[in-house]
Amino acid sequence: KAGVTQTPRYLIKTRGQQVTLSCSPISGHRSVSWYQQTPGQGLQFLFEYFSETQRNKGNFPGRFSGRQFSNSRSEMNVSTLELGDSALYLCASSLTGSNYGYTFGSGTRLTVV
Amino acid sequence: QQQVKQSPQSLIVQKGGISIINCAYENTAFDYFPWYQQFPGKGPALLIAIRPDVSEKKEGRFTISFNKSAKQFSLHIMDSQPGDSATYFCAASPYGGSQGNLIFGKGTKLSVKP
Repeated sequence: KAGVTQTPRYLIKTRGQQVTLSCSPISGHRSVSWYQQTPGQGLQFLFEYFSETQRNKGNFPGRFSGRQFSNSRSEMNVSTLELGDSALYLCASSLTGSNYGYTFGSGTRLTVV
Repeated sequence: QQQVKQSPQSLIVQKGGISIINCAYENTAFDYFPWYQQFPGKGPALLIAIRPDVSEKKEGRFTISFNKSAKQFSLHIMDSQPGDSATYFCAASPYGGSQGNLIFGKGTKLSVKP
């Protein structure tokens, strides 16, 4: 079966712009979680969506937001980009929201210049 | 209290040797401890996981050892192979992993020399 698909794979944006990243979960999975991965901070949890509702949120500023559609596809948005937002953004899907069922995508590499 | 501390940051092992990566946690609510393997350009993939009701779990060449009283757990890779060269992350979660997010260690970059 198809895995978790994240698009685009690479993005270069300028400070102050906004960006939208997309995640298509494994078919049938209803939960999508987003993580930010940087060399300094490692993997940090952003938020989780389950059946179109945000169920859990990490410690990130309000510039980071997300949503989930009725087909379980999810998008995350970062507004007013800062240099420090440069990172690999990973999404993980699972059937019920259990993290032991996580399957991660390959991520979107965002570079802010 | 939410942190998971992982060491070493990097590790070089000869082919056939044993790779050992250690993690420690503080939050006693954590009761699910997975290890993830990540290759360059890929997302993390679940390798093996343990819950605190057992002290050791083995899957092939990979073994997790768990010490509940010390709040420490470790990954042992026996007969390490060049194909094992990757970054390894330990993680922890409450509720047996059935909900909530994973708290990850900072990662260990393993290089296995032929």
